[in-house]
Amino acid sequence: DAGVIQSPRHEVTEMGQEVTLRCKPISGHDYLFWYRQTMMRGLELLIYFNNNVPIDDSGMPEDRFSAKMPNASFSTLKIQPSEPRDSAVYFCASSPATGGRTEAFFGQGTRLTVV
Amino acid sequence: AQTVTQSQPEMSVQEAETVTLSCTYDTSESNYYLFWYKQPPSRQMILVIRQEAYKQQNATENRFSVNFQKAAKSFSLKISDSQLGDTAMYFCAFMKHVSTINNNDMRFGAGTRLTVKP
Repeated sequence: DAGVIQSPRHEVTEMGQEVTLRCKPISGHDYLFWYRQTMMRGLELLIYFNNNVPIDDSGMPEDRFSAKMPNASFSTLKIQPSEPRDSAVYFCASSPATGGRTEAFFGQGTRLTVV
Repeated sequence: AQTVTQSQPEMSVQEAETVTLSCTYDTSESNYYLFWYKQPPSRQMILVIRQEAYKQQNATENRFSVNFQKAAKSFSLKISDSQLGDTAMYFCAFMKHVSTINNNDMRFGAGTRLTVKP
């Protein structure tokens, strides 16, 4: 398996624009997580899904942030409108529910810069 | 909610020496997993070692080992024979056991920046 795939790797956008980050989890994994990493706040869990259903979105900072998982192989994190304080590295991770390998496998992250 | 605390923002060690990174956590769960992840400058998150809470034996992976103290809720990482390639951010993480249906998020500490000096 190719691992968790995120796109784009880097995104630069202007304040007020819509930004969509994409993630393809590892096939067969039941859990998908979205994290945001900043120097000030470290790794924050934004939202996670179990079998495509959002379970906990309490970490989503504002209504400007939304996440979807329309099927088991794809998820998006959208920011609309974007603001400079949204600049961060956004990670997607997936995890199997069974099989003794309960750990999170991370994508390479998307570095978002909002100017 | 579970919390994970790493009290050492930065540490350094001489090449070939041993270093221990600290982690404490807070939970009311009895069954869970603990992890150490490494994040080098490439920013890729790499699993270093994992520990199941029901196992009393400390996990070991080559030069990496943990000291898991369940009663004290402590989970430290020992790196032996440190190498220059060990220079990275290290994150301690907690995840509930999968039997906790629909409540299985993974929480991270703030991280410890480790520098291995030649």
